[in-house]
Amino acid sequence: EIVLTQSPGTLSLSPGERATLSCRASQSVSSSYLAWYQQKSGQAPRLLIYAASSRATGIPDRFSGSGSGTDFTLTISRLEPEDSAVYFCQQSGSSLLWTFGQGTKVEIK
Amino acid sequence: EVQLVESGGALVQPGGSLRLSCSASGFTFSNYGIHWVRQAPGKGLEYVSTISSNGGSTYYADSVMGRFTISRDNSKNIVYLQMTSLRAEDTAVYYCVRGYNYGRYWGQGTLVTVSS
Repeated sequence: EIVLTQSPGTLSLSPGERATLSCRASQSVSSSYLAWYQQKSGQAPRLLIYAASSRATGIPDRFSGSGSGTDFTLTISRLEPEDSAVYFCQQSGSSLLWTFGQGTKVEIK
Repeated sequence: EVQLVESGGALVQPGGSLRLSCSASGFTFSNYGIHWVRQAPGKGLEYVSTISSNGGSTYYADSVMGRFTISRDNSKNIVYLQMTSLRAEDTAVYYCVRGYNYGRYWGQGTLVTVSS
């Protein structure tokens, strides 16, 4: 089973700053099968990025994804107050079994 | 508009059973696999189970294997999650999710609490 480890656990930044979130896999993951989600308090997760770098419909272009192999990154270029949330990475194996990272909490000062 | 609506969550005693439902609308249901993902209070997301579009293939997380059964009725646009031998650690919000390698559409979730 592939384990996804996200860092940092919490990120506290000011509006307008850049946020860099990391997702590291215990073994190589196909870029096609790596996604990122945003979850705000009391809400269901929302798909942000799929196939490592493709933005989902309606996602602002300040959100971008990159990476390959075992190291993937979600970047929020200019933080807005509404970006306060927990962000999860997720991978899908060939058998459709999903695994999630433990999440990174982004706080806006 | 794609909609997924979960129901059936409740307070149940350890060792008990419960059946969750996920009602779908706004798309051709029989063309898509459906997943269940859960989230314990204050915790992260945990994959639970998957059923293929025609119900012919099912997958389970090790933590629920042998206790949970996923099924679907394509004539009613519903996916079920039958949960037996429930434990305290099954307490969570359960989401149904449409997607293949990632979850593009999520329901609002239904809360299952396992406690005496």
